Amino acid sequence: EVLLVESGGGLVQPGRSLRLSCAASGFTFADYAMHWVRQVPGRGLEWVSGINWNSDHTEYADSVKGRFTISRDNAKSSLYLQMNSLRPDDTALYYCAKSPTIFAVNIGRDWFDPWGQGTLVTVSS
Amino acid sequence: DIQMTQSPSSLSASVGDRVTITCRASQSISSYLIWYQQKPGRAPKFLIYDATSLRSGAPSRFSGSGYGTDFTLTISSLQPEDFGTYYCQQSYSIPLTFGGGTKVEIK
Repeated sequence: EVLLVESGGGLVQPGRSLRLSCAASGFTFADYAMHWVRQVPGRGLEWVSGINWNSDHTEYADSVKGRFTISRDNAKSSLYLQMNSLRPDDTALYYCAKSPTIFAVNIGRDWFDPWGQGTLVTVSS
Repeated sequence: DIQMTQSPSSLSASVGDRVTITCRASQSISSYLIWYQQKPGRAPKFLIYDATSLRSGAPSRFSGSGYGTDFTLTISSLQPEDFGTYYCQQSYSIPLTFGGGTKVEIK
């Protein structure tokens, strides 16, 4: 069974940093692109960032570009999101999600299956 | 960015009803359209990919149609377990974008 478990969320002050992690199991992590998607509780979904299987290609939403960095460690089957200069509007539940396509060439043609349970990030003073 | 607009934003229907949710893209996305179902307190789960292909194991009462800019998710006979919020997502280009969601309630 594919399992994605996020961690690292919490309460942080505006301007500070936080690093999210996603531990993957049940599949060959190194073969799949991975993404972060966030959701303000009770609101809609926003794609945040994606990374291809060998870290050659990363993409970001404009709202986080220059502040967030996605990375992965295939040896540890782990995905990360380094979030700097956090703002109150970054408050959301952050989901880690797997691409369904092995060795996806273009992460811009991706969708998400499955998703983790999410980790809540609250940015507030 | 490609904007995805869903309608209605919410609906209430009876068990056995046929339910239709629409999703419109701000530009043509070919058939690069995904549908997800989200239950309260749970992560989304994808239902349909490439606009019309049903996820393996998903109930056959769910179907998708459309191409270009206009897409539809249909539940042919609504069941009690179908409550939740449904989202469309375009997988045509970065940034990957979602519709605002349609909340389905059972009368």
